[in-house]
Amino acid sequence: LAKTTQPISMDSYEGQEVNITCSHNNIATNDYITWYQQFPSQGPRFIIQGYKTKVTNEVASLFIPADRKSSTLSLPRVSLSDTAVYYCLVGDMNTGFQKLVFGTGTRLLVSP
Amino acid sequence: GAVVSQHPSWVICKSGTSVKIECRSLDFQATTMFWYRQFPKQSLMLMATSNEGSKATYEQGVEKDKFLINHASLTLSTLTVTSAHPEDSSFYICSASQSVQETQYFGPGTRLLVL
Repeated sequence: LAKTTQPISMDSYEGQEVNITCSHNNIATNDYITWYQQFPSQGPRFIIQGYKTKVTNEVASLFIPADRKSSTLSLPRVSLSDTAVYYCLVGDMNTGFQKLVFGTGTRLLVSP
Repeated sequence: GAVVSQHPSWVICKSGTSVKIECRSLDFQATTMFWYRQFPKQSLMLMATSNEGSKATYEQGVEKDKFLINHASLTLSTLTVTSAHPEDSSFYICSASQSVQETQYFGPGTRLLVL
C-alpha cells in the first residue's frame, strides 16, 4: 500500500487560498488519489479524487503532476468552517480502495 | 454522494457489558463495509473488513472474539464490542462503497464510552 506524507498542520486566514501537498512516492499505476475532510467527532467526508493532471469540483481542486508522486489539494478562499483535518489517501480503483490506510492528516486552522 | 448512517451516535456503558453498533448504507447496496477506530487526536485505524454473507477479515492486532462483526445484508453491518472495558472507549466509524470501483463513504461515527 502506498504511503502518504503530509504536513502535520497548517494555518491560514479567512479568504485565503490554501494548498496542502501530499507526497506518495511509491504510488502504483492503478492507484487513485483521494482527499477526505474530517471535523471533530464526525466521520471523514469525501472531498475530491483524481488520477492525473487536474480535477476540480465545487469545493476544491486537485493538482497532480505528471510523475504522480505528489498531489496538491487547493481550497479557494477558505472560511472558518474549513478548519478540519484533511487526509490524503492513495488506493487501487480496481479494488475499491480496499483497506484505506490513513496517515496523520493535515490539521488546518483557519483564523479570522 | 452515497449516504452511510450509524446507530447509535454515542453510547455509554458499564465495564463488562456488550455494545452493538450498526452501520447502514441508506441509498445503495454495499457488499463490503469497513470498520475503523479513532482515538482522540489520532488518525483512523482500520479494524476489519466486513463482507456480506461471509466472515469478516480482521487487521493484525484486532481481536475477532472481542469485536464481533456481522454483515447479514447488503445494507447493514454490525460491530459488537463484547465485554467492553474502559480502554475500548473510542470513536468507531464505518465506511462503505457501492461497488469495488467506487469511492468509500463514511458514516458519522459512534462515540463509545466505557465506565
